[in-house]
Amino acid sequence: EVELVESGGGLVQPGGSLRLSCAGSGFMFNSYVMHWVRQAPGKGLESVAAISGSGDRTWYAKSVKGRFTISRDNSKNTLYLQMGSLRTEDMAVYYCAREYPDGSPDFRGQGTLVTVSS
Amino acid sequence: DIVMTQSPLSLPVTLGQPASFSCRSTESLVHRDGSTRLHWFQQRPGQSPRRLIYDVSNRDSGVPDRFSGSGSGTDFTLKISRVEAEDVGVYYCMQGTEWPWTFGQGTKVEIK
Repeated sequence: EVELVESGGGLVQPGGSLRLSCAGSGFMFNSYVMHWVRQAPGKGLESVAAISGSGDRTWYAKSVKGRFTISRDNSKNTLYLQMGSLRTEDMAVYYCAREYPDGSPDFRGQGTLVTVSS
Repeated sequence: DIVMTQSPLSLPVTLGQPASFSCRSTESLVHRDGSTRLHWFQQRPGQSPRRLIYDVSNRDSGVPDRFSGSGSGTDFTLKISRVEAEDVGVYYCMQGTEWPWTFGQGTKVEIK
């Protein structure tokens, strides 16, 4: 069974940093483009970043470019999101997702909550 | 970025009655491979999103046939033929044609 388990969320002050992780299992992790998608409290869904299966290509939303870095370790079947210079507007549940061939996210986890507050 | 606009944002429905939601994009969602990457997601209260429909009109495995999607180009519709209590939640359209993926604001379905 396909599983994605996000972790690493928590409370951080504005300007701080946090690293999220997403452990994948039940599928060939290195064959999939992987994404981070977030959802602010009571709000809709927003794409944050994506990375190719080999890790050689990355894509970022304008809102996080230069502050967040997506990476992966295929030997550990794990996806990461290094978040820096955090702002209150970054507060959200962060979901990792693998990309279906048709270009949509396969959400399998419960997400991890990032709270940015002083 | 492609902007996705859904309407209505809130939809009170009667059990057993039909429901219909609209989704419009600011650009054509026809991908260079010829597919149209418009997808629909359901998010029940307290749960992660779940894909219902992919490529405009294809139901995902396990999705009841009371859900159907249609449309083309920039104009799309999700229909529920007879609403059941388990359909309560927020429905999002989403385009996967170009990066960044963008989502509509969501339509919240509640029972009258």
